[in-house]
Amino acid sequence: GIQVEQSPPDLILQEGANSTLRCNFSDSVNNLQWFHQNPWGQLINLFYIPSGTKQNGRLSATTVATERYSLLYISSSQTTDSGVYFCAVERYFSTGNQFYFGTGTSLTVIP
Amino acid sequence: NAGVTQTPKFQVLKTGQSMTLQCAQDMNHEYMSWYRQDPGMGLRLIHYSVGAGITDQGEVPNGYNVSRSTTEDFPLRLLSAAPSQTSVYFCASRDKTSGNTIYFGEGSWLTVV
Repeated sequence: GIQVEQSPPDLILQEGANSTLRCNFSDSVNNLQWFHQNPWGQLINLFYIPSGTKQNGRLSATTVATERYSLLYISSSQTTDSGVYFCAVERYFSTGNQFYFGTGTSLTVIP
Repeated sequence: NAGVTQTPKFQVLKTGQSMTLQCAQDMNHEYMSWYRQDPGMGLRLIHYSVGAGITDQGEVPNGYNVSRSTTEDFPLRLLSAAPSQTSVYFCASRDKTSGNTIYFGEGSWLTVV
């Protein structure tokens, strides 16, 4: 399968600070998505970003597929940003599609 | 729209028992999937379906069965539960019309004793 590594594993921020989360993957992929899992376990899609850059409010993401990495930027962090951020890649195989998740970055934003 | 609905939310099973986790979506998505999430790990794909009548295996399919008789429903069956299947299970569906956005259910917490 494809290895997906996220860094840092844990991050503690003061409210208002900025941060960059990184996702490296070991092989070429067809799709890449970022998710946020809140402290109650709910998973929300943030970005579908197989390549290029997208922005949504205080969040933005960039994927450089040729170099096999993606970055998630969080600006002016808020306590509601706390949770775990997952990167997931998808690869189309002749036998079917497979999704691979990273182990996540656990973010805690303190007031 | 209710989105993706999973039941039950919590379940305790004895080793060897069978059960079915239900998943339903009302968004007319063709693609549905089941994941398990274990402590300190990301989600791992169990089974997926690209449409009614079509299912396929993911990364960790052993011990689980699925079927897809309708577009709306994608149940996950544990035939003989084992302690190693203690996990949080997420059902998801995908909207190919809006950039492949994945929508997750709220999760089902399963403990096998």
